Amino acid sequence: DTGVSQNPRHKITKRGQNVTFRCDPISEHNRLYWYRQTLGQGPEFLTYFQNEAQLEKSRLLSDRFSAERPKGSFSTLEIQRTEQGDSAMYLCASSSYRSPNTGELFFGEGSRLTVL
Amino acid sequence: AQTVTQSQPEMSVQEAETVTLSCTYDTSESDYYLFWYKQPPSRQMILVIRQEAYKQQNATENRFSVNFQKAAKSFSLKISDSQLGDAAMYFCAYRSVKETSGSRLTFGEGTQLTVNP
Repeated sequence: DTGVSQNPRHKITKRGQNVTFRCDPISEHNRLYWYRQTLGQGPEFLTYFQNEAQLEKSRLLSDRFSAERPKGSFSTLEIQRTEQGDSAMYLCASSSYRSPNTGELFFGEGSRLTVL
Repeated sequence: AQTVTQSQPEMSVQEAETVTLSCTYDTSESDYYLFWYKQPPSRQMILVIRQEAYKQQNATENRFSVNFQKAAKSFSLKISDSQLGDAAMYFCAYRSVKETSGSRLTFGEGTQLTVNP
């Protein structure tokens, strides 16, 4: 399978704990995105990387959230001191800057976080 | 900032019939991309159809077509000959062509489509 892979698929944690999600993009894609999706809503942009550089962060990404893409390949999204409001699906997507630049993002299946 | 609005939280259609999902957006840009993505239950979001704003011709992909009205900032999706597998959440999305936006998408709230046998 050469699609976007996310792990774990589901994480249940207690409030105050730290969680980390991993995303492996399509191998030739140099752009990687994190989105958050709450039940019945559209995905909201969190942050994106071009290669290893984090080029944009949404206001939604509080200080408790940190994302990395150390070697320009896989990425991690860490949430510290989780709160119940962090419960959501965290989606990763990737795209290629090289032409043909169709503008399409390729999504993973998401990592669902439940904070008790 | 761009916004995308889907005013139909839920829609239903009989199998083999046609359904149209609505989307409006707001932007001050003249060139951009618009997308419809499909999200089946517990599965990843996949692209259904894409429209470049500079193209006047409406995009078509098999049973899926769009009605792109640039002046009205409207971008509806028509699904013909609906199939049970079309049942999903459908999201309309906007993307700027400006590189400063990083190709990120702005999504609408989604429309849950039910296909009745």
